[in-house]
Amino acid sequence: QKEVEQNSGPLSVPEGAIASLNCTYSDRGSQSFFWYRQYSGKSPELIMFIYSNGDKEDGRFTAQLNKASQYVSLLIRDSQPSDSATYLCAVLGYQLTFGKGTKLSVIP
Amino acid sequence: GAVVSQHPSWVICKSGTSVKIECRSLDFQATTMFWYRQFPKQSLMLMATSNEGSKATYEQGVEKDKFLINHASLTLSTLTVTSAHPEDSSFYICSARVNPGQSQETQYFGPGTRLLVL
Repeated sequence: QKEVEQNSGPLSVPEGAIASLNCTYSDRGSQSFFWYRQYSGKSPELIMFIYSNGDKEDGRFTAQLNKASQYVSLLIRDSQPSDSATYLCAVLGYQLTFGKGTKLSVIP
Repeated sequence: GAVVSQHPSWVICKSGTSVKIECRSLDFQATTMFWYRQFPKQSLMLMATSNEGSKATYEQGVEKDKFLINHASLTLSTLTVTSAHPEDSSFYICSARVNPGQSQETQYFGPGTRLLVL
């Protein structure tokens, strides 16, 4: 059984701080890794993907991948209240497997 | 990114009726689409994988005779909830597979359909 684990949270950070979201996965053969954001009552929205070890930056978001440790993370710099949502980690092996998500609350 | 639409966005129906939900890929062809269900405050649950031109693959515990899936074209998959009951009330979300089998493979989600069965 391929597994993707996330801390369910909630993770609370003050506005302007860095939010760090973590994800581990069990399938060592996984090739691609994704972060989706889901606002309450809405469907998931793809915000980042990463394929290679290291960091990938896109605006305030940085995805970090360490395949040896089977670990992927998402950093959100200068967190805003509008970043408050559930963040889903997804890992592509044979099929795309989602974690259960981490709820992030950014406190004004 | 790729655009996936769903119709209707919400539907209210009486118990015992059937409801059809459409999922369309608007600017690309999708040989594979997925159907998820999400209850309030719970995580996404994959119901089935829909493959164009062939039968859908259902996840364990999902009744294939109750949730009929048809993927008749490269841009359209439909989910029909037959003889809907109040316990089928949920948020149904489809997604489409982009760049299958390539390193850039990913999934894009439709906006979801909220179903309320009275």
